[in-house]
Amino acid sequence: KNQVEQSPQSLIILEGKNCTLQCNYTVSPFSNLRWYKQDTGRGPVSLTIMTFSENTKSNGRYTATLDADTKQSSLHITASQLSDSASYICVAFTNTGNQFYFGTGTSLTVIP
Amino acid sequence: DTGVSQDPRHKITKRGQNVTFRCDPISEHNRLYWYRQTLGQGPEFLTYFQNEAQLEKSRLLSDRFSAERPKGSFSTLEIQRTEQGDSAMYLCASSRDRAVSYEQYFGPGTRLTVT
Repeated sequence: KNQVEQSPQSLIILEGKNCTLQCNYTVSPFSNLRWYKQDTGRGPVSLTIMTFSENTKSNGRYTATLDADTKQSSLHITASQLSDSASYICVAFTNTGNQFYFGTGTSLTVIP
Repeated sequence: DTGVSQDPRHKITKRGQNVTFRCDPISEHNRLYWYRQTLGQGPEFLTYFQNEAQLEKSRLLSDRFSAERPKGSFSTLEIQRTEQGDSAMYLCASSRDRAVSYEQYFGPGTRLTVT
């Protein structure tokens, strides 16, 4: 069954600290993996997209890694800011049927 | 490029009423997607269009739901005889065909509350 699982479900960190969010997927055939940031009440915004041949991709303070062998990805946020408080959603894409499979997200709260 | 827009942003309706939402994708994006998202969950795929053709429909899309994209530009999602379980955020996204990564751009969503 194609699915995406994320952990932790929620996370609270102090401003300035780093954190890492995890994503495991069982989507096959796998094409690419995305991380989105979704602020409360808004649509998701893309942070990174990685194909199966890419191991890491950065977007400012966000760095995503991908291990296509173990089907795991992580999103590392450095020097967190209050504005990083949001839900972070991992999405796996397969060209077969043009399907996107969304995880349930990790809710991140950054406190001063 | 003005982004994906959705209208209305919020809709409150009584059970049994019909509602219609509109999505305007980024111009020249020929793929358009509809998703439903409930609190604390990731978006769930409903349907997608390539130009005016509806190519895929989820089993979540019951007979009460219908989506159209008549001219391959904007799209509408109609829910007939709404039920309380339809309360959710309805998201629209668009992407350009033949893009290597099929980058999706999401709209702000329409939040539906069925009372």
